Amino acid sequence: NAGVTQTPKFQVLKTGQSMTLQCAQDMNHEYMSWYRQDPGMGLRLIHYSVGAGITDQGEVPNGYNVSRSTTEDFPLRLLSAAPSQTSVYFCASSYGVGPYEQYFGPGTRLTVT
Amino acid sequence: GNSVTQMEGPVTLSEEAFLTINCTYTATGYPSLFWYVQYPGEGLQLLLKATKADDKGSNKGFEATYRKETTSFHLEKGSVQVSDSAVYFCALPLTGGGNKLTFGTGTQLKVEL
Repeated sequence: NAGVTQTPKFQVLKTGQSMTLQCAQDMNHEYMSWYRQDPGMGLRLIHYSVGAGITDQGEVPNGYNVSRSTTEDFPLRLLSAAPSQTSVYFCASSYGVGPYEQYFGPGTRLTVT
Repeated sequence: GNSVTQMEGPVTLSEEAFLTINCTYTATGYPSLFWYVQYPGEGLQLLLKATKADDKGSNKGFEATYRKETTSFHLEKGSVQVSDSAVYFCALPLTGGGNKLTFGTGTQLKVEL
């Protein structure tokens, strides 16, 4: 049981480039979400999904896109990276709408220059 | 909307010292309250939770009591160990409930021999 996995662990982008952060879970969780962690600000919710085919915006969705075609995968897309998106990104999953324990991935550290 | 204010860090303690990390919240109703812990280089993991007023959550020697009179959920441990060195986050659901969490800014704890 791998839990929540994220790739890549580290990434450096130039301003304007695009990329996709991958997230997968093998626990058959319905709920998945993306957070960003910035110094002095804790974690902030970017987007979330309550099941395959259903996504919604969190607190800080601008500049990010998501989709949920399967229960297992929840990729986060940066269409045109900006320095303000330099952060550590965490994917999380849980059994249902909850509030239930959330299981976090190890994170992706993204630097935009 | 719902929000949480957490004690600033870093906190440095000697092994076997008593730990308190303060957390106060603003919320509509009486949502569940959580403490998550992040060990170096890892994602967050649930430490403990309380689902209603006067509940006490506990795990690994840590405790926190849901106090609606003072809107607080302070984390305590009677005798810390070096292995407790980590960042601790207080959290509660965003307004509207469910698994969408809002986190405090995190408190870094360093325990020395």
